[in-house]
Amino acid sequence: QQQVKQSPQSLIVQKGGIPIINCAYENTAFDYFPWYQQFPGKGPALLIAIRPDVSEKKEGRFTISFNKSAKQFSLHIMDSQPGDSATYFCAASIGAGGTSYGKLTFGQGTILTVHP
Amino acid sequence: SAVISQKPSRDICQRGTSLTIQCQVDSQVTMMFWYRQQPGQSLTLIATANQGSEATYESGFVIDKFPISRPNLTFSTLTVSNMSPEDSSIYLCSVYRAGYTFGSGTRLTVV
Repeated sequence: QQQVKQSPQSLIVQKGGIPIINCAYENTAFDYFPWYQQFPGKGPALLIAIRPDVSEKKEGRFTISFNKSAKQFSLHIMDSQPGDSATYFCAASIGAGGTSYGKLTFGQGTILTVHP
Repeated sequence: SAVISQKPSRDICQRGTSLTIQCQVDSQVTMMFWYRQQPGQSLTLIATANQGSEATYESGFVIDKFPISRPNLTFSTLTVSNMSPEDSSIYLCSVYRAGYTFGSGTRLTVV
């Protein structure tokens, strides 16, 4: 019930391509879905997050698509650059923010390589 | 978002010893979270630390192995006790302020 399944494990694209990373969840109580980017030797950095009342959110070159009925969400990176090469994690929590703070459940991670 | 300072950034320790990791936040927060990231793996929550009360541990993690202190609203420590090579991981603290923010992590190697 608490799992978040992420795919693919690794992804290679050419510069300018649009890598897509997918996540699926089972627990319908999840109400906060962030994506993180992690470079080697660094902690995860929040990229973008979405709540289930919207189907899409864009921030710069990063877009989250959310399908509540399918219990799936995905990250799209537009015009990908070699500097985007990193590990990406999806996550989900119940009750983030507000007066109760939920713990994050992470997907397994996707290693993205963007070739020049 | 919050700024988190975590110390040490890395350490190599002998098996059977203990290491205390410090996490300092630039603003007061109610809860602090401690995660473990094993080599090449995802992040797993160890425990949630609320100031003024005992930490809440996730399944598979116990207080005797990972004691946590939370003396005030900006600081917490995680101790990894009686270490074995299986404890070699990155340990990260996290807080929620306009999104969950993570420290840069402590890379622990147990030899």
